Amino acid sequence: QKEVEQDPGPLSVPEGAIVSLNCTYSNSAFQYFMWYRQYSRKGPELLMYTYSSGNKEDGRFTAQVDKSSKYISLFIRDSQPSDSATYLCAMSARDSSYKLIFGSGTRLLVRP
Amino acid sequence: GAGVSQSPRYKVAKRGQDVALRCDPISGHVSLFWYQQALGQGPEFLTYFQNEAQLDKSGLPSDRFFAERPEGSVSTLKIQRTQQEDSAVYLCASSERTGAETQYFGPGTRLLVL
Repeated sequence: QKEVEQDPGPLSVPEGAIVSLNCTYSNSAFQYFMWYRQYSRKGPELLMYTYSSGNKEDGRFTAQVDKSSKYISLFIRDSQPSDSATYLCAMSARDSSYKLIFGSGTRLLVRP
Repeated sequence: GAGVSQSPRYKVAKRGQDVALRCDPISGHVSLFWYQQALGQGPEFLTYFQNEAQLDKSGLPSDRFFAERPEGSVSTLKIQRTQQEDSAVYLCASSERTGAETQYFGPGTRLLVL
């Protein structure tokens, strides 16, 4: 079983929809939680970072971390065709050289 | 300023050939990471440098893989005697400090071993 599980999708939604992406994890030592966006043939781009539990909002994006359930989410409001990409969750523990453990990524397609 | 750059962007190698992949991190960034991303998967950690010191190489899949960062800036990932299973995208990331929260990724080098 992988340390981080993520539904690969693809997830297809109409423009303007609210998108919910999520990951589960098994390592209770994870303290840093991130969401990256990756366009085809590009490197991952950091979208959101959260330390420990709680919510964080940045524009149309909201990240949630529930450490008790080992579950993290990314919400995208008013989705746009330009949001079509692969979304990767990543997490790290303080005592692990800060290497990131990634989920397998969810492909999102926002239809005009 | 300039982001993380990697070269070459694409590399085709014959099985058994040695390859060298280069990473230029963001200027002044202390931490540098290498990841391997197979098709349809998330990146997997290979190795970590803090300045010139290689502090974690636990993710290197075999002794054919070697990384260095001799002057604490540019890094090279070398793969000796390439095998078909080495075909992947190799990503480099750098971070200003030793924390994890702001790892900036380069575009990757796409390696195809025939």
